[in-house]
Amino acid sequence: GAGVSQSPSNKVTEKGKDVELRCDPISGHTALYWYRQSLGQGLEFLIYFQGNSAPDKSGLPSDRFSAERTGGSVSTLTIQRTQQEDSAVYLCASSSGTGLGEQYFGPGTRLTVT
Amino acid sequence: AQRVTQPEKLLSVFKGAPVELKCNYSYSGSPELFWYVQYSRQRLQLLLRHISRESIKGFTADLNKGETSFHLKKPFAQEEDSAMYYCALRGGSYIPTFGRGTSLIVHP
Repeated sequence: GAGVSQSPSNKVTEKGKDVELRCDPISGHTALYWYRQSLGQGLEFLIYFQGNSAPDKSGLPSDRFSAERTGGSVSTLTIQRTQQEDSAVYLCASSSGTGLGEQYFGPGTRLTVT
Repeated sequence: AQRVTQPEKLLSVFKGAPVELKCNYSYSGSPELFWYVQYSRQRLQLLLRHISRESIKGFTADLNKGETSFHLKKPFAQEEDSAMYYCALRGGSYIPTFGRGTSLIVHP
């Protein structure tokens, strides 16, 4: 079956531009997570969606970062006025039920800010 | 607060040698511990979780609450084990905390 998909796979943007990253979770999974993976920094939690509940945005590093999830399925992570330090791989993961089960990760979007 | 420490950024061993990837955690309650693996050019995937007490691809990990550790072990490393390994902890919330990862290189 189809796993978690993300697009684009690679994104190169100029400093100051806005970018949108997309995540399609596994069908039926109600929990969705965004992480940032930087070299030597591991996985940094960004935001968590669970069904129709208000998202947990506690991991967003600044107000330039935002995310939404439409219809409880597809999610978009938006970074406004990108900075070079935003360069990283952005991972999306989904999980069934309350999110206590295994997380299934997407392939990631590699963002490079020049 | 919950924290996961993987003290080794890089672990290099020869094929057939035993391997132990260290993971120490900090959490006041009863945690749920995981090991995730990312092979080259593949997505991050679950390797094992402590509650299932399984051996996956020859790897085992035992939760030691006294030492607050969840080290990943394999008695005889294989070249195909070369990958990035992440230890993760989930405490009272639905948001797991990941360690910084250990890159395992198994030489022929």
